[in-house]
Amino acid sequence: EAGVVQSPRYKIIEKKQPVAFWCNPISGHNTLYWYRQNLGQGPELLIRYENEEAVDDSQLPKDRFSAERLKGVDSTLKIQPAELGDSAVYLCASSPGTGGREQYFGPGTRLTVT
Amino acid sequence: KNEVEQSPQNLTAQEGEFITINCSYSVGISALHWLQQHPGGGIVSLFMLSSGKKKHGRLIATINIQEKHSSLHITASHPRDSAVYICAAHHNTDKLIFGTGTRLQVFP
Repeated sequence: EAGVVQSPRYKIIEKKQPVAFWCNPISGHNTLYWYRQNLGQGPELLIRYENEEAVDDSQLPKDRFSAERLKGVDSTLKIQPAELGDSAVYLCASSPGTGGREQYFGPGTRLTVT
Repeated sequence: KNEVEQSPQNLTAQEGEFITINCSYSVGISALHWLQQHPGGGIVSLFMLSSGKKKHGRLIATINIQEKHSSLHITASHPRDSAVYICAAHHNTDKLIFGTGTRLQVFP
């Protein structure tokens, strides 16, 4: 069984440029999460989807971040425009459901904004 | 104060040593996860437990619900165990609350 797939693995952009990350969850997993992990910190939830519905986006900086999961499968996270402070690892995870179900993480995308 | 705290923050060991990483949490949880993160950034789930003890190979995880404490043990540590180990509490509201991680280095 394939794991959670993310691309790109690494991205370097200049500030004020847009950037997008893509995630394909494990087949059959209804729940998809986007996390941001700053250096030396634990991941922080940005947004959680149940199928195509964003059920928790309270920590998503909506002025510059957007996400979509149109068909309830793969998802895209976008930053426009990027700022220096957005440099971090962006992790996608999926789960077969909620209620304490195990989350499976992708390899992450390491973003560097210069 | 973080809702999930780990100790130590950094840990070095010689190959073969027995290692313990501790996690304390202050929120109500339905489960607790132990995760491993290598320098490339990807996270691997090691254990998810809600009571008692689980063992997988050289790794053992325990949890005491009453004391709100969990430990991850590595027996006969090896340099390939070098990684960041993260404790994450599955909050009753269905959120994962992460500790800041323990950076482990095992030297040959």
